[in-house]
Amino acid sequence: EPEVTQTPSHQVTQMGQEVILRCVPISNHLYFYWYRQILGQKVEFLVSFYNNEISEKSEIFDDQFSVERPDGSNFTLKIRSTKLEDSAMYFCASSEEGRNNQPQHFGDGTRLSIL
Amino acid sequence: SQKIEQNSEALNIQEGKTATLTCNYTNYSPAYLQWYRQDPGRGPVFLLLIRENEKEKRKERLKVTFDTTLKQSLFHITASQPADSATYLCALPLKRGAQKLVFGQGTRLTINP
Repeated sequence: EPEVTQTPSHQVTQMGQEVILRCVPISNHLYFYWYRQILGQKVEFLVSFYNNEISEKSEIFDDQFSVERPDGSNFTLKIRSTKLEDSAMYFCASSEEGRNNQPQHFGDGTRLSIL
Repeated sequence: SQKIEQNSEALNIQEGKTATLTCNYTNYSPAYLQWYRQDPGRGPVFLLLIRENEKEKRKERLKVTFDTTLKQSLFHITASQPADSATYLCALPLKRGAQKLVFGQGTRLTINP
């Protein structure tokens, strides 16, 4: 069964540094998402992406964050000037369609630890 | 804004019994609602999606109901097995037409042999 893959599984970074989290969505999916989950808390939406542009974003997704689809298969989340509170699991998800009640399929996440 | 409450943080069930998890939401009624399973250190795994015009959806030992009057969804696992032990998440779109999913805090289900 096709799946969403994320790399790396664990990223340790010094505060203030930039990180790039990578995702390969399911190949025939058109909508891509990033969520995060701080330890012990709910899964929170960050951003959705369709047709090479952001379609929705949350209040969490400020200028510190950016997303990109650099080629036909990868989808990345960049976090600039990382802060301690950015430590969390970051999940990528994809769906066939965004507005027509299609399920979102998640990867296993990247655990980001900011020191 | 939309809020989701899942009935309890933890639920312990004897193997073979039916586990029933509850998801309540406030404000508007969503066009659909989804249930996910999450194991420790893993991403959410999609289980079932139920639309507002569907009262019930089944998949193998899983059953989901959706009552838009009560603003509630129930998730049932029949003939539960220890392998069903996980955290189960309810999720629905923030508003109609939105892609953004809002998740509940989850119910940690333990099936005791």
